[in-house]
Amino acid sequence: GEDVEQSLFLSVREGDSSVINCTYTDSSSTYLYWYKQEPGAGLQLLTYIFSNMDMKQDQRLTVLLNKKDKHLSLRIADTQTGDSAIYFCAESRGSSNTGKLIFGQGTTLQVKP
Amino acid sequence: DTAVSQTPKYLVTQMGNDKSIKCEQNLGHDTMYWYKQDSKKFLKIMFSYNNKELIINETVPNRFSPKSPDKAHLNLHINSLELGDSAVYFCASSESSNQPQHFGDGTRLSIL
Repeated sequence: GEDVEQSLFLSVREGDSSVINCTYTDSSSTYLYWYKQEPGAGLQLLTYIFSNMDMKQDQRLTVLLNKKDKHLSLRIADTQTGDSAIYFCAESRGSSNTGKLIFGQGTTLQVKP
Repeated sequence: DTAVSQTPKYLVTQMGNDKSIKCEQNLGHDTMYWYKQDSKKFLKIMFSYNNKELIINETVPNRFSPKSPDKAHLNLHINSLELGDSAVYFCASSESSNQPQHFGDGTRLSIL
């Protein structure tokens, strides 16, 4: 990804928690996003966080944002086999609000039964 | 009920041909986008339109020409297709340019 970095692979056991990490570079980003891509499918918007927040929880998903370190994480509680997919973080780039999203290279989450 | 729909889902064609990919959104959004995902899953923005006006053109070759006949449609026409154009092309839309983007299922383009 262009200045948005993620680890490439994460393997967990079913029922464990998964934590996917992301670092970004543009401190003026308005929103930060997590998208999920299942094999052969499109991108599903999972959740997003506004840059003036430090945490957002949505059922099994928890997003943590550390603006000082430009670090974003996605925690999936009680990970299921259906959570196996590629997870992309993305930042909205540009103070002119052009809507340009810069994506990380994606983290492949493998959930073992 | 599909929010952002692209056609075709798969496109296989010969090098040198001209092809189009269509995108429609029924969300009433003002802004639409085209992204390219390469074989390593890397996603990069190509174009963005807001109310039929071009607002982002990310140094894409001019063989690629987006057309927005109305704010619900953003089509992508590609001339003189090259091997390197093989990729998955995603259309997306958002309520406005600083709102979350919703993606279509992608068009898988293969150049022979």
